[in-house]
Amino acid sequence: GENVEQHPSTLSVQEGDSAVIKCTYSDSASNYFPWYKQELGKGPQLIIDIRSNVGEKKDQRIAVTLNKTAKHFSLHITETQPEDSAVYFCAAILNTGNQFYFGTGTSLTVIP
Amino acid sequence: EPEVTQTPSHQVTQMGQEVILRCVPISNHLYFYWYRQILGQKVEFLVSFYNNEISEKSEIFDDQFSVERPDGSNFTLKIRSTKLEDSAMYFCASSEQDGDQPQHFGDGTRLSIL
Repeated sequence: GENVEQHPSTLSVQEGDSAVIKCTYSDSASNYFPWYKQELGKGPQLIIDIRSNVGEKKDQRIAVTLNKTAKHFSLHITETQPEDSAVYFCAAILNTGNQFYFGTGTSLTVIP
Repeated sequence: EPEVTQTPSHQVTQMGQEVILRCVPISNHLYFYWYRQILGQKVEFLVSFYNNEISEKSEIFDDQFSVERPDGSNFTLKIRSTKLEDSAMYFCASSEQDGDQPQHFGDGTRLSIL
């Protein structure tokens, strides 16, 4: 199956700075890569996703980049705000199945 | 915005007992999933369900587990003969289509086995 690795496990940034979270995957058959934000006591909420035929996608302060050759994808959050503090998960899905393979999560703290 | 709802939010059960976790997926979604997250570990896939059948399951989803869509709105996960290691957060998710499509998650049920 697929193996998704995520780094760093914790990240602290000053408000207004950028945050970058990186994930790698092992199976070249993966074709869809969502990012989820999980706040305390809540379930994972989809914040952005990218498909394998696209190299970059942006939605306001959030962007995701994908390098299929290197099998890695990254989440970029610009102009961070305290409400961005949460645990972020990357995931991947194979083009042959329905299950998401999740990374281990990154706990982001934005310091006011 | 439509959301996936799960009940109960916290379930405490004695080891060896059976539990049923309940989920109401988003109404126009056709694909349903269960995942679990043991404290400090990755979110792990358990099972996917479509058209009243299991479409995919992981090694975790053994004979102890079963899923059912008893009516037009509910989707349940039953765990028989619970063990201490079944203690985890269980998430239900749903999607409109399968494959490379977003899955929308509920807030989870925290299952504690004593």
